[in-house]
Amino acid sequence: DGGITQSPKYLFRKEGQNVTLSCEQNLNHDAMYWYRQDPGQGLRLIYYSQIVNDFQKGDIAEGYSVSREKKESFPLTVTSAQKNPTAFYLCASSRQITGELFFGEGSRLTVL
Amino acid sequence: DQQVKQNSPSLSVQEGRISILNCDYTNSMFDYFLWYKKYPAEGPTFLISISSIKDKNEDGRFTVFLNKSAKHLSLHIVPSQPGDSAVYFCAASIAGGTSYGKLTFGQGTILTVHP
Repeated sequence: DGGITQSPKYLFRKEGQNVTLSCEQNLNHDAMYWYRQDPGQGLRLIYYSQIVNDFQKGDIAEGYSVSREKKESFPLTVTSAQKNPTAFYLCASSRQITGELFFGEGSRLTVL
Repeated sequence: DQQVKQNSPSLSVQEGRISILNCDYTNSMFDYFLWYKKYPAEGPTFLISISSIKDKNEDGRFTVFLNKSAKHLSLHIVPSQPGDSAVYFCAASIAGGTSYGKLTFGQGTILTVHP
């Protein structure tokens, strides 16, 4: 079945550690996105990539980094510079034509 | 600056009645609007969308209305069912070019449908 796979589903991190969240899609979509969800704030865009080897900062990119070496993969690294990393992270992809996003099941990161 | 706002954090409705979820936006460049439904600990799933060239779009029990002059859209669910209980997000984008898929989301409205 086609879809978006995020891993891990739950992740705990100590302060000062970097952590990488995986996102893989087999929908053959060109564009991929990372959103963050916090209670009462909806979804906010962290980074997005329209094509391989290119990505753009979203609204809240500080403390995060991404790479897009393959069309299928768009990993997100939460660095120690991110002040409030505890959140629910959602990866999504889209075909350029429709703009409709398809989301993964999310990764919940908790900083201890 | 919240460009897409859902001013009702929650809504409670009796099964079989109509649920109306509202969304306001401030950016007049937005011309494509979507509604997503989200269960806890899962990713959002697409429900229905509307382009700014329309003022209504219907899909089964779900209808989205767009009032461009008021910069307001609403999602109607008729009849509401307990399985509709979830968080509903309104989203908007500027169609075309590199903006496709770059959505701006509202804060979400928690819908609870009571049996």
